[in-house]
Amino acid sequence: RKEVEQDPGPFNVPEGATVAFNCTYSNSASQSFFWYRQDCRKEPKLLMSVYSSGNEDGRFTAQLNRASQYISLLIRDSKLSDSATYLCVVNYLAGDTGRRALTFGSGTRLQVQP
Amino acid sequence: NAGVTQTPKFQVLKTGQSMTLQCAQDMNHNSMYWYRQDPGMGLRLIYYSASEGTTDKGEVPNGYNVSRLNKREFSLRLESAAPSQTSVYFCASSETSRDGYYEQYFGPGTRLTVT
Repeated sequence: RKEVEQDPGPFNVPEGATVAFNCTYSNSASQSFFWYRQDCRKEPKLLMSVYSSGNEDGRFTAQLNRASQYISLLIRDSKLSDSATYLCVVNYLAGDTGRRALTFGSGTRLQVQP
Repeated sequence: NAGVTQTPKFQVLKTGQSMTLQCAQDMNHNSMYWYRQDPGMGLRLIYYSASEGTTDKGEVPNGYNVSRLNKREFSLRLESAAPSQTSVYFCASSETSRDGYYEQYFGPGTRLTVT
C-alpha cells in the first residue's frame, strides 16, 4: 500500500465549477501536510499548507481529518489556469534517524475546460 | 535571486556510463534534497542533506551517491547508469523547521534517459 494515495484523475470540469480532491495517508505519526501544484513538465510548487483547523487561501480550502487520515483540497470557481496536477504531501519522522522526510502522492490531474 | 538551479536540463546516457547532476541554491537554506519522479509513482526521495557536511539516504538511494560540497551545492552522481534510472530528477532546498511545516523549493529538473 502506498503511504500517500490519491485518485490520479483526470478530473475534467468546466470553468466556474467547484472541485474537490481527497488524499489518504497511512502513517499515523505524520506531522504536517501540504498541497503542491505541478504544471506539465515543470517543478512542483507549494500551493498551501494544511493545518488541523483547516485553512483557506482565496478560492482554495484545505481540510485535515487526522482520525480518518485524509486531507482534502477544494477549489471554488475553477479557472483555466488551475489546470495542473495537485500533489498531496505528508511529512513524517523517518525511521531511526528521527529526521523528517516529505512523502509525495502521485498526484491528481485537473483539467478545467472553457 | 535564481532560487534552485540544476544542470543539465536533459541528458542521454548509455548503460554503464557515469555522470553527475549539479544543483545549487542561493536562498541560504540548510537542507537540500534529491528526488526522482516516475510516471504514476510520485516523487521519491533519493538522498537528502539536513545541513552542510551531512547526508542521509532516502527511500531509493541504491545506485546513487551524493556530495554536499558547501551550503549552496548538492550534487548527485550515477556511477554506472542503468535503464531503471531513466527518470526526471529534481533537486530541492528548504529551511530547517521545528514544527514540521516548511516549504521545499524545487529546481526545474533534469530529464535523464539511459539506453
